[in-house]
Amino acid sequence: NAGVTQTPKFQVLKTGQSMTLQCAQDMNHNSMYWYRQDPGMGLRLIYYSASEGTTDKGEVPNGYNVSRLNKREFSLRLESAAPSQTSVYFCAATRDPLGGYTFGSGTRLTVV
Amino acid sequence: GIQVEQSPPDLILQEGANSTLRCNFSDSVNNLQWFHQNPWGQLINLFYIPSGTKQNGRLSATTVATERYSLLYISSSQTTDSGVYFCAVIVQGGSGNTGKLIFGQGTTLQVKP
Repeated sequence: NAGVTQTPKFQVLKTGQSMTLQCAQDMNHNSMYWYRQDPGMGLRLIYYSASEGTTDKGEVPNGYNVSRLNKREFSLRLESAAPSQTSVYFCAATRDPLGGYTFGSGTRLTVV
Repeated sequence: GIQVEQSPPDLILQEGANSTLRCNFSDSVNNLQWFHQNPWGQLINLFYIPSGTKQNGRLSATTVATERYSLLYISSSQTTDSGVYFCAVIVQGGSGNTGKLIFGQGTTLQVKP
């Protein structure tokens, strides 16, 4: 039982390149989330999805798009990467939106 | 939006010492969760505690929702306790029946042997 799986674990991009971060969960949870973590800061919410077919903006959505492909998968896309998007990205899922959350192991992204 | 403040920002302990980490939040919340981020970056759920007190081994947590704070107690600290401790509050989300986690900035704990 893997829980929440993120790929890739590490990525280096050049400014202007695009890429998609993948997240999949095997817990049959409805709600999924993307966060970013910058040095010395807590995690900040980028986008979230209450259920398949719905997405909402979080605190820092600019420069990102998301797709809730199905109940298991929630992807985060950077269309034109910028150095300010260098960060560690975490995906999370929860069965009960007002309950406990499970996080993936993170994707460390560097934009040069 | 809601503000989540953790104190202290940094803490250095000698192995075996006890400590208390505090989390204050500025508005009513649906729930609260404590996480430990280990030196490899993994986020580990410690407690899901909307109110009251819970204990798990050397760790315990207390949330007083009416006074908008939560405390995490670490007793007999070990070097493996090192890392960053995050408090996160759960608030109602936008669309549908969903919520979202709002994180504090964390307390960085170093336990020396």
